[in-house]
Amino acid sequence: GAGVSQSPSNKVTEKGKDVELRCDPISGHTALYWYRQSLGQGLEFLIYFQGNSAPDKSGLPSDRFSAERTGGSVSTLTIQRTQQEDSAVYLCASRFLWGEQYFGPGTRLTVT
Amino acid sequence: AQTVTQSQPEMSVQEAETVTLSCTYDTSESDYYLFWYKQPPSRQMILVIRQEAYKQQNATENRFSVNFQKAAKSFSLKISDSQLGDAAMYFCAFSGNTGKLIFGQGTTLQVKP
Repeated sequence: GAGVSQSPSNKVTEKGKDVELRCDPISGHTALYWYRQSLGQGLEFLIYFQGNSAPDKSGLPSDRFSAERTGGSVSTLTIQRTQQEDSAVYLCASRFLWGEQYFGPGTRLTVT
Repeated sequence: AQTVTQSQPEMSVQEAETVTLSCTYDTSESDYYLFWYKQPPSRQMILVIRQEAYKQQNATENRFSVNFQKAAKSFSLKISDSQLGDAAMYFCAFSGNTGKLIFGQGTTLQVKP
């Protein structure tokens, strides 16, 4: 079946603009994770969804970052008033129960 | 808080030879999982191998095996008979009961023909 997909694959935005990054998990996967990969900070956990609820948002770096998941499927990560330090690759992963996490190809965000 | 440390930013191996990538971690949890992920230039994260902490036997997947030393909190990856396609960034990762992954800084592996 299809893997985890993310869109867009690349996004260039101006400082101060809002962006939305989308993740389509593998069908039936109950858990969904967002991570950020940047040169300075490496790979960091952002937020975790179990179904539509987010029991762990501890990795969101500021209140400019938010995420939601609807219908236990698609998730959107929103960054408001983007800053240059938000430039990174944003990775999404999903898994079923206690299985392995399957990663999407990521969205490369560049803030100019 | 859990931490994962990879002390080798870069490693190099000759094709067909064996290489070992190091990883140490810190946690107070008793039930957890450890992973090695491979990330080629395509950015796609690929699971290489997984180890459950309660299992004493080291995990093995074809040419990839781990040396899991629970008391020392060490989890190294051995790649045997290295191939050109093994060249990538390798990440060691830890997860507890929520499944969220804590990653090390990564090791870039170069395979020389």
